[in-house]
Amino acid sequence: LAKTTQPPSMEAYEGQEVNVSCSHTNIATSEYIYWYRQVPHQGPQFIIQGYKDYVVNEVASLFISADRKLSTLSLPWVSLRDAAVYYCIVTDISGGSNAKLTFGKGTKLSVKS
Amino acid sequence: DAGVTQTPRHEVAEKGQTIILKCEPVSGHNDLFWYRQTKIQGLELLSYFRSKSLMEDGGAFKDRFKAEMLNSSFSTLKIQPTEPKDSAVYLCASSWTSGNTLYFGEGSRLIVV
Repeated sequence: LAKTTQPPSMEAYEGQEVNVSCSHTNIATSEYIYWYRQVPHQGPQFIIQGYKDYVVNEVASLFISADRKLSTLSLPWVSLRDAAVYYCIVTDISGGSNAKLTFGKGTKLSVKS
Repeated sequence: DAGVTQTPRHEVAEKGQTIILKCEPVSGHNDLFWYRQTKIQGLELLSYFRSKSLMEDGGAFKDRFKAEMLNSSFSTLKIQPTEPKDSAVYLCASSWTSGNTLYFGEGSRLIVV
């Protein structure tokens, strides 16, 4: 499984757009990229997933570089509720398997008012 | 729809006691995971079930940790005997077999004194 590297922490003000980067230099062709976030006293929550190019949903957007070695999670107009630890995970789902997700240390996002 | 339900939410145990944590996955999900979360180690996989069959039992945690899934809607994690280093949040998650989106419970916070 590919390892990921994320900045340990980030700070932003309410209303700003936040971009959280994740490096996965050894990502395999069968691996997908997932982002989860965890707010205090709750379990992680799925945000978005992608394989290549650009993915967007109602919560966030995900940009994946052409070589797939870097992904960026973009959160528009963050609020205090977006303060959380953001986890970038790469995992292999080839053959329909549901391989376990391995969580790293994540990026702790602090939001100031 | 009910999400993943974990009980108890909080537990204080004395060293040497037996603790049983409980998890009800999302109805219809085939995969169930137990994780342990601490500030130092982050999220660590303890056990992984697919359709009630134990697929992985987390190597280093085999000794005093035993997860069981007697039916598709209920799982337990037994820690016996407990030690102070077992103090952590224990998270249960479930997912469909063919996808990797995990749905986490709120966790059970265990303190061993």
